[in-house]
Amino acid sequence: DTEVTQTPKHLVMGMTNKKSLKCEQHMGHRAMYWYKQKAKKPPELMFVYSYEKLSINESVPSRFSPECPNSSLLNLHLHALQPEDSALYLCASSQGGWDGRNQPQHFGDGTRLSIL
Amino acid sequence: AQTVTQSQPEMSVQEAETVTLSCTYDTSENNYYLFWYKQPPSRQMILVIRQEAYKQQNATENRFSVNFQKAAKSFSLKISDSQLGDTAMYFCAFMKVNSGGGADGLTFGKGTHLIIQP
Repeated sequence: DTEVTQTPKHLVMGMTNKKSLKCEQHMGHRAMYWYKQKAKKPPELMFVYSYEKLSINESVPSRFSPECPNSSLLNLHLHALQPEDSALYLCASSQGGWDGRNQPQHFGDGTRLSIL
Repeated sequence: AQTVTQSQPEMSVQEAETVTLSCTYDTSENNYYLFWYKQPPSRQMILVIRQEAYKQQNATENRFSVNFQKAAKSFSLKISDSQLGDTAMYFCAFMKVNSGGGADGLTFGKGTHLIIQP
């Protein structure tokens, strides 16, 4: 079992729908991340939320918007997505501190998103 | 910006053999971390081993060890006594040290698909 929980595991939505992906961790980590992974490709960073500050990969379109209600939750709101947005969306968390021992990111199982 | 290169798209070895996966990277940063992650078909990304750039000693974790050559910007993974459960996609990843503390994202290589044959 993973310590980072992502829901739902699978999501199929139309291009006009609005949906949200949820990510939760209970390890007391101060940093959380969203990655997008296309088939047979490496994950690509979308957002970092660390110590209450959001960092955005500038290549991510505005139809993706992150929300951090509290330190253990990081949601990803989806609106007007395109077929090319179909991918595996991975959430991760880390301690976020200076100490190298705190740096490894722990990943969830991902949400498989399909856009019709 | 940094780049991570994995030059072996796929490798196949027999069970119990030793296999080495290569990774090179390019960065102007002096402080950073390097990681190997494993992603089996179940799709969960699992940390295999990590290396802090300021440490000269190569990291080891049971059957997994790295050969970290900072000057050459090389970070290879050696798997000893390979097992069927080692079959997975292996990603090399780079993360710079955030100058203000906090956290930074991972930059991944394209991955090596490792197949362990019975």
